[in-house]
Amino acid sequence: DQQVKQNSPSLSVQEGRISILNCDYTNSMFDYFLWYKKYPAEGPTFLISISSIKDKNEDGRFTVFLNKSAKHLSLHIVPSQPGDSAVYFCAASESNDYKLSFGAGTTVTVRA
Amino acid sequence: KAGVTQTPRYLIKTRGQQVTLSCSPISGHRSVSWYQQTPGQGLQFLFEYFSETQRNKGNFPGRFSGRQFSNSRSEMNVSTLELGDSALYLCASSPAPIADTQYFGPGTRLTVL
Repeated sequence: DQQVKQNSPSLSVQEGRISILNCDYTNSMFDYFLWYKKYPAEGPTFLISISSIKDKNEDGRFTVFLNKSAKHLSLHIVPSQPGDSAVYFCAASESNDYKLSFGAGTTVTVRA
Repeated sequence: KAGVTQTPRYLIKTRGQQVTLSCSPISGHRSVSWYQQTPGQGLQFLFEYFSETQRNKGNFPGRFSGRQFSNSRSEMNVSTLELGDSALYLCASSPAPIADTQYFGPGTRLTVL
């Protein structure tokens, strides 16, 4: 049973605009959330994370928002750039533990 | 610093065979985790090794096994391959078993015919 869900398999956005990726989780024990970015033929790379004690974390163009009551998080990329075209995975764990539960991924395409 | 390396990168096997995949972590990293990635399923946790001990295992059948050597290199083995085992197998290493310090390798693409 998938405990982390990314319901949008793909997203297309124009360069310079905002990309919003969504993720829902079902396990209330999850308290640490991460986003990974994956290019073809490469492994996922860590992008940004957020602990459940926060509702927002920002790193440059990337911001993650956490809504614990809705068990929902989102990743905002502003502004979107062509190099952001990749698959983005949402992941969750208990207390930043190594055992991660991943979503199925969202493929982002940034159009020039 | 060299990244996580996985060998082989691509592998084709037939049903019933067994396969061994290898993962060399970043130097100094003692934790190695394995994940299976299939279309529509994301990455699913297989198991994690720290200092040669398997500390946790995901929800996979006993056909999936692994080990870690004293130099932290890890291998995973899948016996009696099934068509559904076709996937990208990723390993990740970290200095300690903490999620956001994990570095992933490029994966081994296994195709079972």
